[in-house]
Amino acid sequence: KQEVTQIPAALSVPEGENLVLNCSFTDSAIYNLQWFRQDPGKGLTSLLLIQSSQREQTSGRLNASLDKSSGRSTLYIAASQPGDSATYLCAVLGASKLTFGTGTRLQVTL
Amino acid sequence: NAGVTQTPKFRILKIGQSMTLQCTQDMNHNYMYWYRQDPGMGLKLIYYSVGAGITDKGEVPNGYNVSRSTTEDFPLRLELAAPSQTSVYFCASSYSGTDSNQPQHFGDGTRLSIL
Repeated sequence: KQEVTQIPAALSVPEGENLVLNCSFTDSAIYNLQWFRQDPGKGLTSLLLIQSSQREQTSGRLNASLDKSSGRSTLYIAASQPGDSATYLCAVLGASKLTFGTGTRLQVTL
Repeated sequence: NAGVTQTPKFRILKIGQSMTLQCTQDMNHNYMYWYRQDPGMGLKLIYYSVGAGITDKGEVPNGYNVSRSTTEDFPLRLELAAPSQTSVYFCASSYSGTDSNQPQHFGDGTRLSIL
């Protein structure tokens, strides 16, 4: 059974800092890995999708990497802003099903 | 662009009542999913469908039923509401279940409380 773990569970950083969120998974037989953002009381917004054959994806200040063999992914956020405050979820796709981590709650302070 | 639409957004039920959570998508996606999210937890898959007329159980199907009579709609039914079903429910859709380049698209969720 696939298990996805995200560390840390919560993170508070001052504005402008670069930061890294971590995601690990136990079964490397995945089709892709997705990073989502969830604002309080809202749904999930897809940030980045990395296919199993890819190593990284970039969108603006966000960069996600994937090391399938070691079961790890990182989400790098450059020059953090207060608007980045949210919960970040990673999820891996295997056998038509997404398995989610429990998320990292990020707060960016002024 | 509507995407995935869920109704209602909020609902309070009494124990033992029944209700249907509605989900519709306008992207002609074959795959649709229902998840629940409990506080501080990730999303858990309840049921999914790979096309009209086909449904299958996910990780936590007990206490729920689904149907998929059309490509667009995938309602989730609670027959006898229990306090353990208090959660936020998310519907999602995707073009393919295993296409590595196709993300899942999520609705805004239904917040359900059972008292």
